[in-house]
Amino acid sequence: NAGVTQTPKFRVLKTGQSMTLLCAQDMNHEYMYWYRQDPGMGLRLIHYSVGEGTTAKGEVPDGYNVSRLKKQNFLLGLESAAPSQTSVYFCASSSKTDTQYFGPGTRLTVL
Amino acid sequence: DQQVKQNSPSLSVQEGRISILNCDYTNSMFDYFLWYKKYPAEGPTFLISISSIKDKNEDGRFTVFLNKSAKHLSLHIVPSQPGDSAVYFCAASPLVVSGTYKYIFGTGTRLKVLA
Repeated sequence: NAGVTQTPKFRVLKTGQSMTLLCAQDMNHEYMYWYRQDPGMGLRLIHYSVGEGTTAKGEVPDGYNVSRLKKQNFLLGLESAAPSQTSVYFCASSSKTDTQYFGPGTRLTVL
Repeated sequence: DQQVKQNSPSLSVQEGRISILNCDYTNSMFDYFLWYKKYPAEGPTFLISISSIKDKNEDGRFTVFLNKSAKHLSLHIVPSQPGDSAVYFCAASPLVVSGTYKYIFGTGTRLKVLA
């Protein structure tokens, strides 16, 4: 039982490049979330999903897209990376009213 | 506008003593509150929660107190242990229409427990 896993752990991009972050959970959770954490700030919700095939915007969705094609996976895409997207990205999952379980994070640097 | 505030960026406490971490919020619609603990290079891990219908919740060495009239939340750790050294985030959410919680996180308090 791996819980929530994130791929990759680290990535360096150049401005304008694209990439996809993968989150996978094996707890059969309905809900999945993507957050970013920046120095001096708390975790901020980017997008979330309440079930397979559904997504919704969080607090800071601009510049990101997401997809939830399978219940266990939640993908976060950056179509054209900007330095302002340098951050640590955390994925989380939960059942309907349960607490959120977080992955180990992906550290992304955009040059 | 920071809806969830942790005004103390850091706190140092002697081993065995009580650690008190504070959190203030501004949104009276917040329904559910949690505390997470985060070690370096790891994701946050759930510590303890409290719903708005309670004023106290206890789990072993950890107790969370909620004062709704003051919009204030606190986490007490007694006794503090060196392994408690971490960053602690409080988070709050209203119950949204979809039935899930969209948490707003504070900026965190770094707790250092001195041996």
